[in-house]
Amino acid sequence: SQQGEEDPQALSIQEGENATMNCSYKTSINNLQWYRQNSGRGLVHLILIRSNEREKHSGRLRVTLDTSKKSSSLLITASRAADTASYFCATDAGGFQKLVFGTGTRLLVSP
Amino acid sequence: SAVISQKPSRDICQRGTSLTIQCQVDSQVTMMFWYRQQPGQSLTLIATANQGSEATYESGFVIDKFPISRPNLTFSTLTVSNMSPEDSSIYLCSGTPGTGELFFGEGSRLTVL
Repeated sequence: SQQGEEDPQALSIQEGENATMNCSYKTSINNLQWYRQNSGRGLVHLILIRSNEREKHSGRLRVTLDTSKKSSSLLITASRAADTASYFCATDAGGFQKLVFGTGTRLLVSP
Repeated sequence: SAVISQKPSRDICQRGTSLTIQCQVDSQVTMMFWYRQQPGQSLTLIATANQGSEATYESGFVIDKFPISRPNLTFSTLTVSNMSPEDSSIYLCSGTPGTGELFFGEGSRLTVL
């Protein structure tokens, strides 16, 4: 069963705009991660944020975590057409090293 | 980061047949996992592949349907047995070096007719 619910399910923006995706989860976690999947291929790890962290940056990515609300957000700044993909949050709620994935957000960035 | 190779990348199979997917990791990982992604859906964990012993299956998945082997630290196979159209999915191999993040293969897209 899914641990995370992501919002929105789909997002369509223009190049240069920012994209924000949200993830809510149900149980206590040690860390939360974000992954990208291009067109039904393998997933690529983007960023990991631990439960004692509130914000983390990696290039154009900014992730926040609010454990009191059991939610996280992924912000992609200055988006590019190459950012078009599905984005999934994942938590370690499945147990040690076992990730449970959210429902995903499909992002479309138009030139 | 680990590089994970999976094959086949895609296949079209007939109902009632079985298919084995191979997964090779280029460096040692502590744990390997198999996920299923049904069309338009998220990933669901099938099982943890344990080196030299039986895999640990998640609820809803059984060894008779999805036998898994992991003879060494860097290689694992997943067999989808007695396939039906409902088994049409992407099957993903993943591994972790123990740091928390998963590295994924490119997936094996199976279509069962």
